[in-house]
Amino acid sequence: GNSVTQMEGPVTLSEEAFLTINCTYTATGYPSLFWYVQYPGEGLQLLLKATKADDKGSNKGFEATYRKETTSFHLEKGSVQVSDSAVYFCALDNQGGKLIFGQGTELSVKP
Amino acid sequence: DTEVTQTPKHLVMGMTNKKSLKCEQHMGHRAMYWYKQKAKKPPELMFVYSYEKLSINESVPSRFSPECPNSSLLNLHLHALQPEDSALYLCASNQGAPTDTQYFGPGTRLTVL
Repeated sequence: GNSVTQMEGPVTLSEEAFLTINCTYTATGYPSLFWYVQYPGEGLQLLLKATKADDKGSNKGFEATYRKETTSFHLEKGSVQVSDSAVYFCALDNQGGKLIFGQGTELSVKP
Repeated sequence: DTEVTQTPKHLVMGMTNKKSLKCEQHMGHRAMYWYKQKAKKPPELMFVYSYEKLSINESVPSRFSPECPNSSLLNLHLHALQPEDSALYLCASNQGAPTDTQYFGPGTRLTVL
């Protein structure tokens, strides 16, 4: 079946630190991969996506590359800000019309 | 414009009440979704409407009743809920093609007393 595994949080970083949140997936075929972000008290916002192998999604300084050989879609940012504090969800859609989410990783950035 | 709106923002109801949640999008999307999200957990899919027809029901209890009056509107009717139904209810929409990006609304925070 389809599944997504994310690194457990919470992750606590100092401002301007480098961020990596690991995400691996299990799926047949060629799913689309997504990162969503949820700020406190809000709904989910699409952060970035990739639809095929070796695609790189990027937005607001965040990047993730679709790696089929390692079934991974790790989220990275070179220099985090306090305003990046949120919960990050990795997700896949394997053409079934359903998003399969990881458990979420809470990020806290301290000044 | 990628906005999905949801009303109300907060709702408190007793177990004998009947209430409705509303979701609206004006992006011309043909698929709309209801999710339930408990604290510190990922969203759980409840229902999917595609071209105004219910296409997926994830074995949700009948005290939750969805309705899609037209392609822009999605309602969730609530009746005889339990305290464990307290959660954030999220609506999403997309074009309806496989793997299209889903765009989420801000959610309705529901508390059942």
